[in-house]
Amino acid sequence: QQQVKQSPQSLIVQKGGISIINCAYENTAFDYFPWYQQFPGKGPALLIAIRPDVSEKKEGRFTISFNKSAKQFSLHIMDSQPGDSATYFCAASIRSTGNQFYFGTGTSLTVIP
Amino acid sequence: DTAVSQTPKYLVTQMGNDKSIKCEQNLGHDTMYWYKQDSKKFLKIMFSYNNKELIINETVPNRFSPKSPDKAHLNLHINSLELGDSAVYFCASSQVAVGELFFGEGSRLTVL
Repeated sequence: QQQVKQSPQSLIVQKGGISIINCAYENTAFDYFPWYQQFPGKGPALLIAIRPDVSEKKEGRFTISFNKSAKQFSLHIMDSQPGDSATYFCAASIRSTGNQFYFGTGTSLTVIP
Repeated sequence: DTAVSQTPKYLVTQMGNDKSIKCEQNLGHDTMYWYKQDSKKFLKIMFSYNNKELIINETVPNRFSPKSPDKAHLNLHINSLELGDSAVYFCASSQVAVGELFFGEGSRLTVL
């Protein structure tokens, strides 16, 4: 079964707008929640990650919001730019047990100039 | 210097053939993985090796056989290729208990 559920499947945002991608999980043993960005023809690359002891992490225009009680986390991209157009994956893992990563199904983001 | 490198980048072959994809990481990580990404972009874990030992083996046809000669290398051999094997295969590595997963650039396999 899908351990991490991601939505929406695709997203179109105007330049300068806010892009929001949501993920939900069930396994409370997960202790690491990364977001990966993938450009066409490239491998996924770590964008930003959070651990469940904090509710928010910000790096530049990218912010993860984490709601432990709801078992949900989301990626916010502020001032979205055409260069942000890519596929975004959320993931979850248990760091101590062989680092098995469970990925969401991906969100294709298109930022229109 | 590429952290996780895999070869070849592109592979076009006929059904029934056997092919291999090689992966090397120079990050000193103890765990390596193979992921399959289908046309819908879904990333599916296939195998995971920790210090040369298989620790994750998802439901994958036994035509797929990983081999880890040392902890810096993880190769994937595929026998009797089928049309449904067409996908992009990603190698990745990480250090247990640290968290970050590093991916290679991918190997696009097309079976005709």
